[in-house]
Amino acid sequence: AQSVSQHNHHVILSEAASLELGCNYSYGGTVNLFWYVQYPGQHLQLLLKYFSGDPLVKGIKGFEAEFIKSKFSFNLRKPSVQWSDTAEYFCAVSHSGGYQKVTFGTGTKLQVIP
Amino acid sequence: GAVVSQHPSRVICKSGTSVKIECRSLDFQATTMFWYRQFPKQSLMLMATSNEGSKATYEQGVEKDKFLINHASLTLSTLTVTSAHPEDSSFYICSANPTGGRREQYFGPGTRLTVT
Repeated sequence: AQSVSQHNHHVILSEAASLELGCNYSYGGTVNLFWYVQYPGQHLQLLLKYFSGDPLVKGIKGFEAEFIKSKFSFNLRKPSVQWSDTAEYFCAVSHSGGYQKVTFGTGTKLQVIP
Repeated sequence: GAVVSQHPSRVICKSGTSVKIECRSLDFQATTMFWYRQFPKQSLMLMATSNEGSKATYEQGVEKDKFLINHASLTLSTLTVTSAHPEDSSFYICSANPTGGRREQYFGPGTRLTVT
């Protein structure tokens, strides 16, 4: 069975600081990788996704993630965070093929201090 | 595009009653929809996969008779919590996977169920 681990449960940063959130997955086959964001009081939104090709993926709002197959990792990065990035971030994985069952990590709560 | 709605957004019911939650894909068709449960400060836990025109596939530990899922059309799946108990209080979220081989899921806004 596939699983996803996010190393940081709660991250506090000052505005303009750089962000990196860790995500590791365990699955032996070909995977699809996602980062979702949940702003306070809102529903999940897709930040970015990786299916194949260039392992460096750029998403919305200046976020990017890099798929490193040898490390089973898909870390999320942003060079300079803003207060509006305060939210919970979920890494998720599904395996290619089948009916796209998605497994979520436990989430990382990001708090950006003005 | 790719909007998923859920109804109701919040519901309070008494112990022992049943509650139905609807999940609709508004501008696309979805052969497959998923139902998740999110506990406070925790991640989403997949409950079941809903397939149009066939029986749902439940995850281990999820009671089929308690959480009834019906996927009667390509745009609607329903989750019925039967004989609800306070421990069923949670945030229920659905997602829909567009037909045509696209690998993304689009999430609904969730339904907050409180059982008193």
